[in-house]
Amino acid sequence: GDSVTQMEGPVTLSEEAFLTINCTYTATGYPSLFWYVQYPGEGLQLLLKATKADDKGSNKGFEATYRKETTSFHLEKGSVQVSDSAVYFCALSPDTGRRALTFGSGTRLQVQP
Amino acid sequence: GAGVSQSPRYKVAKRGQDVALRCDPISGHVSLFWYQQALGQGPEFLTYFQNEAQLDKSGLPSDRFFAERPEGSVSTLKIQRTQQEDSAVYLCASSFDRGPAFFGQGTRLTVV
Repeated sequence: GDSVTQMEGPVTLSEEAFLTINCTYTATGYPSLFWYVQYPGEGLQLLLKATKADDKGSNKGFEATYRKETTSFHLEKGSVQVSDSAVYFCALSPDTGRRALTFGSGTRLQVQP
Repeated sequence: GAGVSQSPRYKVAKRGQDVALRCDPISGHVSLFWYQQALGQGPEFLTYFQNEAQLDKSGLPSDRFFAERPEGSVSTLKIQRTQQEDSAVYLCASSFDRGPAFFGQGTRLTVV
């Protein structure tokens, strides 16, 4: 079945550091790929998405590129802020059949001033 | 409302008690999903509705779990005879057709 694997956290960075959170997936066909973010005390929010190979999703300075050849969707940001501290979830939605999201286990990011 | 609303936010149940969790999706969203999120884990799919039709319930862990959406809007997830392993955050999400899912803040269920 479908699965998503994320790097384990927590990831601790200083403000303005470069961020990469790795995400790889296993799925048949061409799933849509997502990054969701969960800030402390809040619900899951869609951060960005990509629906086909080589698409780049971007939002709030975060980017991720859909790499079909490596089945990856790594999240990057050039300069993190303290306000980026949250838990980040990579997820996929299949292109056919069941429409539910399959999530990774989440990566906690802590940004220190 | 502007977002997906879930109630209650927190629920403590004694083992063996029945609970009902409510989800108010975004108005006009035809798709509604329930997920279960254990501590430190990602959400796991429970069930999916398109309007009032429950199209997929393959993620429900046992026959103690039951979900309904009788008028294609509000949905209720019911857990009968709760057990300690049911303790988790239950998330509801809605979407318009095949668009991205919007999540509520969840209901944290603790079974004691």
